[in-house]
Amino acid sequence: GQNIDQPTEMTATEGAIVQINCTYQTSGFNGLFWYQQHAGEAPTFLSYNVLDGLEEKGRFSSFLSRSKGYSYLLLKELQMKDSASYLCAVRAREGANNLFFGTGTRLTVIP
Amino acid sequence: SQTIHQWPATLVQPVGSPLSLECTVEGTSNPNLYWYRQAAGRGLQLLFYSVGIGQISSEVPQNLSASRPQDRQFILSSKKLLLSDSGFYLCACLDTGELFFGEGSRLTVL
Repeated sequence: GQNIDQPTEMTATEGAIVQINCTYQTSGFNGLFWYQQHAGEAPTFLSYNVLDGLEEKGRFSSFLSRSKGYSYLLLKELQMKDSASYLCAVRAREGANNLFFGTGTRLTVIP
Repeated sequence: SQTIHQWPATLVQPVGSPLSLECTVEGTSNPNLYWYRQAAGRGLQLLFYSVGIGQISSEVPQNLSASRPQDRQFILSSKKLLLSDSGFYLCACLDTGELFFGEGSRLTVL
């Protein structure tokens, strides 16, 4: 089975840095994804980690520790438009490389 | 790159009525296709996936069914909708290791 946990809500200030954590327990692991989803819209891809370490892409970075079943998404220089839900998803080795999603973290950026 | 089209975008249906949501994919061939549902305040739940024409796997028992009549067409159906079927339905395609989503179909069952 799959179990993916992330905080339900977070609030941060414009210009600040925020870290969104994700822990997972899965039967087989083949990569971890982060998606951004604005209200009423489809998720859009942010990052992918399959090896341990930090992947940086502009203001967004994602970290993975496979031994700890842990990942985080780091958002720097927060902007108001970053207010959205952030979904952690794990790709399992079973099935058709299915992605299993956490419930998402709703981030609110305040002025 | 691939493009995913879903329709209808929004629909309101009475309990007991049938449902058909359609998804088509362009720009890729023989993709893995998925149907997810997102209920209000909840995460994305994988409903069905397909690795090829006529091949459907279900992740959870439910009131819904899926079909893949063509390589780039994926259909989600129900014969009789329940209130609990309300939600945001997303079709997705796995391409070069990344999952891409369609625009979504918001279903309200009254």
